[in-house]
Amino acid sequence: GESVGLHLPTLSVQEGDNSIINCAYSNSASDYFIWYKQESGKGPQFIIDIRSNMDKRQGQRVTVLLNKTVKHLSLQIAATQPGDSAVYFCAETWYSGGGADGLTFGKGTHLIIQP
Amino acid sequence: DSGVTQTPKHLITATGQRVTLRCSPRSGDLSVYWYQQSLDQGLQFLIHYYNGEERAKGNILERFSAQQFPDLHSELNLSSLELGDSALYFCASSVRTGGSEQYFGPGTRLTVT
Repeated sequence: GESVGLHLPTLSVQEGDNSIINCAYSNSASDYFIWYKQESGKGPQFIIDIRSNMDKRQGQRVTVLLNKTVKHLSLQIAATQPGDSAVYFCAETWYSGGGADGLTFGKGTHLIIQP
Repeated sequence: DSGVTQTPKHLITATGQRVTLRCSPRSGDLSVYWYQQSLDQGLQFLIHYYNGEERAKGNILERFSAQQFPDLHSELNLSSLELGDSALYFCASSVRTGGSEQYFGPGTRLTVT
């Protein structure tokens, strides 16, 4: 089946710098995308979402960009902090007739914040 | 704290056995999703229940089953366990079905020996 994939398994950035985590998806029918953060030993934590009728959405220190033309999603984290160190997953979903499938997750990017 | 609770936190059992994992969704959430997270497969969607009814199935084995009760808590039953079933099992809940953010519980770590 189709799946969401991430370009880089590990990303290392200096504390205070901005980071960009990328994600490619292959299902053009996907209409809802979410970024999750997972710290060691914990469940995925919702960061930000975006619907397919939008190109950009901003939260606190985070911005998600959606490029439907090339099926690309990115998460920008501004002024990274040590607490941002985690694995980041993008996920997609769509509404299938009669019900809703669960999220399809990418493999994850491990963000490491260097002091 | 997402508001989703899962029990037990850890579970160690032998091959061939059967276990039940429990999930209580956030107050007011009608949808419960189950996911399996393993090192080789990543996070995989298993099954979705909405207000007591099964709505969608993902990569769920026939040895696995789930249900959602009238009080909206859900149980995931894993039977004839194999070594490869060792993984983290998460449930997530959302207010409605489709296109809404899902809140994940802390997970149950299952170890099959």
